[in-house]
Amino acid sequence: AQTVTQSQPEMSVQEAETVTLSCTYDTSESDYYLFWYKQPPSRQMILVIRQEAYKQQNATENRFSVNFQKAAKSFSLKISDSQLGDAAMYFCAHTNELPTATGTASKLTFGTGTRLQVTL
Amino acid sequence: DVKVTQSSRYLVKRTGEKVFLECVQDMDHENMFWYRQDPGLGLRLIYFSYDVKMKEKGDIPEGYSVSREKKERFSLILESASTNQTSMYLCASSSYRGSGGFYSNQPQHFGDGTRLSIL
Repeated sequence: AQTVTQSQPEMSVQEAETVTLSCTYDTSESDYYLFWYKQPPSRQMILVIRQEAYKQQNATENRFSVNFQKAAKSFSLKISDSQLGDAAMYFCAHTNELPTATGTASKLTFGTGTRLQVTL
Repeated sequence: DVKVTQSSRYLVKRTGEKVFLECVQDMDHENMFWYRQDPGLGLRLIYFSYDVKMKEKGDIPEGYSVSREKKERFSLILESASTNQTSMYLCASSSYRGSGGFYSNQPQHFGDGTRLSIL
């Protein structure tokens, strides 16, 4: 079974500090994508960062970066210079290819989320 | 920007009612998805559709059905609502981008969610 594990239900970081959210996953596929999504209190999920499994270089997006360890099936998110607006629920997810009548389609398997609090 | 619109932010229905949740996207995306989100369980896929009139079951399809008559619209149907279907429902869409057999996963874009309460 495809699974995604986020072992930290809640995390807290002080403004301007750095925090790392952990994620491990299990997949039998050799080529897949990994994502971190952010869900602020307003509830709309927003893509934070994406990593392609065949790329060894870790993805970065401004203050957000990942530490992707393919062999260990680990995909952690690092937030640098944390801001109050970073407070949200963060979900890790990976793709699964599913057969369809016309080929394949991709679905996402999500972790249970990490609630990040940012304090002054 | 991609816009995924869910028809209701909050909905209250009674057990046994037939419930329709509507989702519309404005970016001509091929793929559309329905998830439910429950505390401690994350997001779980109910159904998805990769083309008009095409649908596939997700991880938890029991008690639900879907309809995709037009590319931009994907409806989730609770045929006979039960209290265990009280949840947050999220719709998402994504594009398929590829040629010559190469398939590229494009990120999913989400709506604001519908918080459904079944009494």
